Amino acid sequence: EAQVTQNPRYLITVTGKKLTVTCSQNMNHEYMSWYRQDPGLGLRQIYYSMNVEVTDKGDVPEGYKVSRKEKRNFPLILESPSPNQTSLYFCASRTGGNQPQHFGDGTRLSIL
Amino acid sequence: RKEVEQDPGPFNVPEGATVAFNCTYSNSASQSFFWYRQDCRKEPKLLMSVYSSGNEDGRFTAQLNRASQYISLLIRDSKLSDSATYLCVVLGGNTGGFKTIFGAGTRLFVKA
Repeated sequence: EAQVTQNPRYLITVTGKKLTVTCSQNMNHEYMSWYRQDPGLGLRQIYYSMNVEVTDKGDVPEGYKVSRKEKRNFPLILESPSPNQTSLYFCASRTGGNQPQHFGDGTRLSIL
Repeated sequence: RKEVEQDPGPFNVPEGATVAFNCTYSNSASQSFFWYRQDCRKEPKLLMSVYSSGNEDGRFTAQLNRASQYISLLIRDSKLSDSATYLCVVLGGNTGGFKTIFGAGTRLFVKA
C-alpha cells in the first residue's frame, strides 16, 4: 500500500530535549516536505527536499533541521525544542512535476 | 497580503444545499492548483486537481481563472459526510515548482 509513515504520532516532551520525527514514503517520490499546522494559520511549510541530499527552507524553518540521506526518508529534527514549536506536524511527498502531495497521518507535538 | 486566501467561513448549510468555496492566489507564476479536504485532526487528502478548462467529479466541480487568479470549488447536493475543512492549494511559482502554499481553509458544516 502506498503511504507516508510518520513516527511518533504523539509526543509530549520538555524544552531543550532534542527530538526527531521520522518520515518514510514507499512511493519512490522525489519531493518531500514538512509542514506544521496551527489554529488560524493553516499549513505552513518548514522544509522541503527535491531529492537525496537536496533540501531547502520553507516559510518557517527556524528551530528545525532536516536531512535527506535516502530517497525514502526525511526526518525532522528539533535540536532544542521550545513551547512555540507545539503543533501538529505533517510530512508529505510527491512525485516530480506539478503533482499533488500525499500526507502522513500527522504528529502531534507538545513541548512543555 | 497572504499568498493564498480563502473565505474564512465557517459555512453552515442544510443537507442538499449547493456550496461554493472561493480562493485567490497572488503569484501569477503559480503552476498547479488543488483542493484538499481535511477532517478534524486528520491529514489533508486530495479532493481534486483544478484545471483551466474546469473539471467535475460527481457532485464536485472545480474552476480556475488564471486571469483573475481565482479558484473555486462547488459542491452540489451536500451530504452530512461533506462536513470538513476545505483547503485551497497552489503549487509552483518563481521557485521552480517546489513551493506549495496552502490556504487557511474554509470549514463546512452540513446539517440534517
